[in-house]
Amino acid sequence: LAKTTQPISMDSYEGQEVNITCSHNNIATNDYITWYQQFPSQGPRFIIQGYKTKVTNEVASLFIPADRKSSTLSLPRVSLSDTAVYYCLVGDGGATNKLIFGTGTLLAVQP
Amino acid sequence: NAGVTQTPKFQVLKTGQSMTLQCAQDMNHNSMYWYRQDPGMGLRLIYYSASEGTTDKGEVPNGYNVSRLNKREFSLRLESAAPSQTSVYFCASSRGIGNNSPLHFGNGTRLTVT
Repeated sequence: LAKTTQPISMDSYEGQEVNITCSHNNIATNDYITWYQQFPSQGPRFIIQGYKTKVTNEVASLFIPADRKSSTLSLPRVSLSDTAVYYCLVGDGGATNKLIFGTGTLLAVQP
Repeated sequence: NAGVTQTPKFQVLKTGQSMTLQCAQDMNHNSMYWYRQDPGMGLRLIYYSASEGTTDKGEVPNGYNVSRLNKREFSLRLESAAPSQTSVYFCASSRGIGNNSPLHFGNGTRLTVT
């Protein structure tokens, strides 16, 4: 199974751009990279998904280099409400649904 | 659409008691999952079901059983609850196989075993 590694925590200030990088050295050829956001006392919420290069939606951007061994979630101009835990998730090549989450990154946004 | 609905929201059990956590989704998803999350920790996969009629063990299946009752419902049973099973339990569903379709999570069941 592909394992993910993320920083345990990050600090930022309102209005800044935040980049959270996830390492997934053993990602399978046909696997996607998915990022989730979790607020306290809630279930995780899907943010963005990508396979290669760059994906952008109304919330975030996802940058994936050519070798796909890492990915970077970019949050533009964060606000206090972006304080949450962010998880990146990769699968096992689509062979099964055994989807194992890593430890996640706690992003703390200060005023 | 309600999405993924979990019941109950809260539960307190005594050691040795049994209970079933219920989960239902109305998105016609094929795959369903049960995760647990201990305070300040990440999510750990207990069991998953890739499709109706199939179930498989995740990272931490000991002490739990599951039933994929139909396409909509996936229940988690604790036969003899232990304090180590105090946790928040999240159910999730996804349309397809693997990580190629996003997971949709419920709001969790907070279980305390005394």
